[in-house]
Order: sequence, then C-alpha cells, then structure tokens
Amino acid sequence: GAVVSQHPSRVICKSGTSVKIECRSLDFQATTMFWYRQFPKQSLMLMATSNEGSKATYEQGVEKDKFLINHASLTLSTLTVTSAHPEDSSFYICSAGGTRYGYTFGSGTRLTVV
Amino acid sequence: GDSVTQMEGPVTLSEEAFLTINCTYTATGYPSLFWYVQYPGEGLQLLLKATKADDKGSNKGFEATYRKETTSFHLEKGSVQVSDSAVYFCALKVYSGGGADGLTFGKGTHLIIQP
Repeated sequence: GAVVSQHPSRVICKSGTSVKIECRSLDFQATTMFWYRQFPKQSLMLMATSNEGSKATYEQGVEKDKFLINHASLTLSTLTVTSAHPEDSSFYICSAGGTRYGYTFGSGTRLTVV
Repeated sequence: GDSVTQMEGPVTLSEEAFLTINCTYTATGYPSLFWYVQYPGEGLQLLLKATKADDKGSNKGFEATYRKETTSFHLEKGSVQVSDSAVYFCALKVYSGGGADGLTFGKGTHLIIQP
C-alpha cells in the first residue's frame, strides 16, 4: 500500500530559528499533499494544501510567510516553520491525497519551541 | 463551516467490553465520513469509511453507520482487545469539485483497553 514518510518525528528548536519538516511519498506520486496541525486536546486542523509545481493554498488564519510550503517534486513536500516561537509548538502531520489509496498520512512531527 | 464533534477521552475499557465512540457532524453538503486510527508512534490509518446515507463501514470488527437523520457516524465494536488501544479520529470530506480536498477532523478519542 501507499506509504508516506515524515521526518523528523520530534524536534526541539530555539525561539527565532527555522525548522523544516519533510513529507515523502515512498511508492507513489502525490500531486497533492495536505499539512495539518494539532494543538493539545484540539482537532487536527488543515493548514494548507500543496500542489506539485504550484503555490500552496493556505487556510484562513494561517500565515503563509511563517509556514513555507514547497512541493517541488511529486514525492516530496516540505513545511518550514520560520522564526519559530513557543506558540508554534504543536503536532504537525502531512497527508498525501487524491491517490487510488485515498488519503495516506505521515506519522507526524512533534515540534517544541523553547 | 464543516465540523466534527466526537466524545472526549480518554476512554478506558476492559478487554472484551463493548465499545462506542460517538461522532456527530455538521456539513454544508453531502459528506463522506471516515474513522481513522493512530497507534502510538505511527501515522493515521484509515479504519473505515462511508460515502452516503445508510452506508455501513466495517473493518477489523469495527463498524459505523452513516446516519443522515441524526448527522452521526458512531464507531462500535462488540469486543475490544488490548491491541485496539489507540487514538481514534472521526473525519469528513465534502467534495468541492475543484480537485483534492482536505479532511475535517474531530479532536480524537484516546482509547485505552486494559487486560
């Protein structure tokens, strides 16, 4: 079946630094990938939809300059949290969609900004 | 907007107990409904789904019926096992017709099964 690999699984960074999270589709091509964020005791919230070769579409309230998404190939999408602050600490998870397998999720990244 | 409400956890049960995790939704159109499961350290996996009213999704002993009249998609299992311990997410998708769409999730319910 379809597999999505997400790295890193956990990251701790200092306030003001940037962190990159990678999401790779291992055995299929993903023209569309989704990035979600989950705060403690809250729902997974869709942040943005990235399409290969074009700009990402951000959900209302998500700062595109802070959460940079790059989907340069059919197997890789990256989310960069720029100038991270403690309030950005969260669980980030990617998903590849639109395949015959439906939606396939990565295992998530726990970001802690100190 | 679209939303999903599911029961808060953690839910703690003994092995072989009957499980119900409630899920209700609001949607602007006719959604497809899903249950995802996340085992510790792993990504979300699709457990079951239903795409229209009165459909029943089932997998691994779990079942859920798409109830349009009550806007519900409750997850049930007759006899749970320790290996069912995980976080369960109810989700919906309403097709916009413009291409692939993201999912709207509930908050997740942490299920703990004790031997």
